[in-house]
Amino acid sequence: KAGVTQTPRYLIKTRGQQVTLSCSPISGHRSVSWYQQTPGQGLQFLFEYFSETQRNKGNFPGRFSGRQFSNSRSEMNVSTLELGDSALYLCASSLQGKETQYFGPGTRLLVL
Amino acid sequence: AQSVTQPDIHITVSEGASLELRCNYSYGATPYLFWYVQSPGQGLQLLLKYFSGDTLVQGIKGFEAEFKRSQSSFNLRKPSVHWSDAAEYFCAVGGETGRRALTFGSGTRLQVQP
Repeated sequence: KAGVTQTPRYLIKTRGQQVTLSCSPISGHRSVSWYQQTPGQGLQFLFEYFSETQRNKGNFPGRFSGRQFSNSRSEMNVSTLELGDSALYLCASSLQGKETQYFGPGTRLLVL
Repeated sequence: AQSVTQPDIHITVSEGASLELRCNYSYGATPYLFWYVQSPGQGLQLLLKYFSGDTLVQGIKGFEAEFKRSQSSFNLRKPSVHWSDAAEYFCAVGGETGRRALTFGSGTRLQVQP
């Protein structure tokens, strides 16, 4: 079974732009969570989606948003990019009712 | 609120030596505990998990971890380290009611000397 896939793997943007990242969960997994990883703040939870609904949200500004489609694929969007948004963005999926999350390879975003 | 502490930022061991990575958590109820490993430029790979039951859990790649409620610890061990184990290791806690949001420790970078 294929793992979690994320596209693109690398992105370079400039301040003020917006970006959309995509995540395809493991087949059959309906819960998708997003995390941001930076050297300074470590791994931080962004939000979780299940059945096209945001169930949980971390402590991030409203510039960070996401959505989930009927096939469980998810996208996250960051608007008005700031230098501090440079990070590895990780997506994880899990089965309904299960706590174990399986992570994708991440999208590395560099904001110049 | 839940939290995780990994006291060791960087550990160096010789190949073939034993390894123990420390993890302490803070959580009000019975936690779900995980260890993940991350190689440079890669995502997180699940090594093992603890939900309940036997406090010694076995994982992949020869790793094991022991849950000690009295010490709020979930230390990761391996009897004999291989050069390919060099990576960063993250301990995480989950299970906060209604939230599938993992809280991670700051990680321990493992270097293996030949």
